[in-house]
Amino acid sequence: EAGVAQSPRYKIIEKRQSVAFWCNPISGHATLYWYQQILGQGPKLLIQFQNNGVVDDSQLPKDRFSAERLKGVDSTLKIQPAKLEDSAVYLCASSLVGRGYTEAFFGQGTRLTVV
Amino acid sequence: EDKVVQSPLSLVVHEGDTVTLNCSYEVTNFRSLLWYKQEKKAPTFLFMLTSSGIEKKSGRLSSILDKKELFSILNITATQTGDSAVYLCAAPAGGTSYGKLTFGQGTILTVHP
Repeated sequence: EAGVAQSPRYKIIEKRQSVAFWCNPISGHATLYWYQQILGQGPKLLIQFQNNGVVDDSQLPKDRFSAERLKGVDSTLKIQPAKLEDSAVYLCASSLVGRGYTEAFFGQGTRLTVV
Repeated sequence: EDKVVQSPLSLVVHEGDTVTLNCSYEVTNFRSLLWYKQEKKAPTFLFMLTSSGIEKKSGRLSSILDKKELFSILNITATQTGDSAVYLCAAPAGGTSYGKLTFGQGTILTVHP
């Protein structure tokens, strides 16, 4: 079974530029998450989708970050304009929908460096 | 706001040593606690704990939850260099959504030959 796919693996941009990340979840997983992991910290949830609807985006800096999940499958996360503090690993995860906890599977992440 | 705190933040041991990693939590509507191993970038699932005092075991790794004192420990016996990683604990959000995880800051484990 294929895992969660993310691209690119690495990205270096200058501050004030824009960047986009792509995620393809495991087939059949209705729930998709984007996490931001700053060096030395645990991942922090940015946004959670169920199918193509947003479940939770309370920690997404909406003035510069946006995310969409058209057709309830692939998702893109965009930052525009980027700031130095956005340097982090961006992790995408997906899970099935269930009555209890269903394991979230993580992709390899995209390491963003803003210079 | 849910909070998960891990200690120590880093640990350096030699092969064969036993290590204990700690995780304390303050979570509204607590349901379970999860442990992940993160090598390079992708966290991989280790354990889910829901009941106090029941040890979960997988090979040389074991974990237990204390819901009265609000903490969990992860033990690794006879450590190997392949155990070097960041170990994360996390708690799913309460309410109807299990998916949103609040992570601790992680413990960086380094095992020297």
